[in-house]
This record gives sequence, structure tokens and C-alpha cells, in this order.
Amino acid sequence: KNEVEQSPQNLTAQEGEFITINCSYSVGISALHWLQQHPGGGIVSLFMLSSGKKKHGRLIATINIQEKHSSLHITASHPRDSAVYICAVRAQGAQKLVFGQGTRLTINP
Amino acid sequence: NAGVTQTPKFQVLKTGQSMTLQCAQDMNHNSMYWYRQDPGMGLRLIYYSASEGTTDKGEVPNGYNVSRLNKREFSLRLESAAPSQTSVYFCASSVWTREAQYFGPGTRLLVL
Repeated sequence: KNEVEQSPQNLTAQEGEFITINCSYSVGISALHWLQQHPGGGIVSLFMLSSGKKKHGRLIATINIQEKHSSLHITASHPRDSAVYICAVRAQGAQKLVFGQGTRLTINP
Repeated sequence: NAGVTQTPKFQVLKTGQSMTLQCAQDMNHNSMYWYRQDPGMGLRLIYYSASEGTTDKGEVPNGYNVSRLNKREFSLRLESAAPSQTSVYFCASSVWTREAQYFGPGTRLLVL
């Protein structure tokens, strides 16, 4: 079992829909990251969080440390949100990130 | 600021050839990383440098060597390329290892 599991692996939705991508992990962590990989391959860091909730524009990330679970929400989705979304965790005391396999999101007009 | 730059963007090698992937950052970051990304798998850490003058193995270091040339530059060397090293390689940097990472555009490597 991978340390970091994302679901779903693939998600297709219509423009305007509310999107939720989930990330579960199996170890105690000091931080969780959400990243976005564009169709061209570039990777951008979206959020780093260790508790609670963060919001940036239409993107919201939440984390429940007790349940070892995080969600990334996109409100009013748009075709330009189509990308692979990657969850990564840093275990307590570790310097390195461990990455999930990613969720491929496609938003149709 | 250019951020994190990588060269080359694309390379084809024959089995047994050697090459060095170059990475540079202009953000005065202390920590730098090399990852590989393969279809169906998450990013996997090859080597990292927590600070200038230090390097450490990641999850998949076999077949690779690294050099932290100075604070800006971190190179990855394949001494004898193998088809299993066909992948997309990403360099990243961060202020320190506990901070968000900034990624380069990637190098697509094909080993025949």
C-alpha cells in the first residue's frame, strides 16, 4: 500500500461543477502539499498545510490530521483547471516529500 | 527571475552513454532536489541537497550521481545510461527542506 493514496485517479466534469479530490496518507506528517501539473508538464505548488483549511481564489484545501485525510476543492470549475493534481506529504522528522500518483482532472466546456 | 531552469529539455541517449542534466535556480534557495516521473507512478526523489555542500540519497538513487556545484546549481549525472532510466526528470528548489518547492520545466530523457 502506498504511503499516499489519491482518489479518484481520473475525474471528468462539466464546467461550473464543484470538484473534490481526496488524499489519504498512512504516516504522521508535519505538512501536506497540493501541486498542479499542467498538460504541458510544468508543476506548480498550490498549497502547503499542516492543519485546518487554506483558500486561494477558487481553490480550497482542507486537512484532517486525526483522520490522515486531505481534500482539494475547486469551485466553479473551468476548462483551464484541467490538469493533474498531486498530493505529497512530509513525514514527521523527515526532510523528503512522498508523492501520490496524482488525479487527472478534465473539465469540459 | 527565471526561477528554476533545466537543460537540456529533451535528450536521446544510447545504452551505456553518459550525460549530465543541469539545474540552476536564482531564488537564493538553500535546498535542491532531483525527481523522476514515470507513467502511473508519482514523483520519486533521486537525490537532494538540503544545503550547499551536502547531498543525500532519495528513494531511487541507483545509477545516478549528483553535484551541488554552488548554491545555485545542482547537476544530475548518468554515468552509463540504461533503458530503465527513460523518464522525465524534474529539478526543484526550496528555501529549506520544510518549505514549498519550486519546480523546473523538466527534461525528457529517452534511452535506447
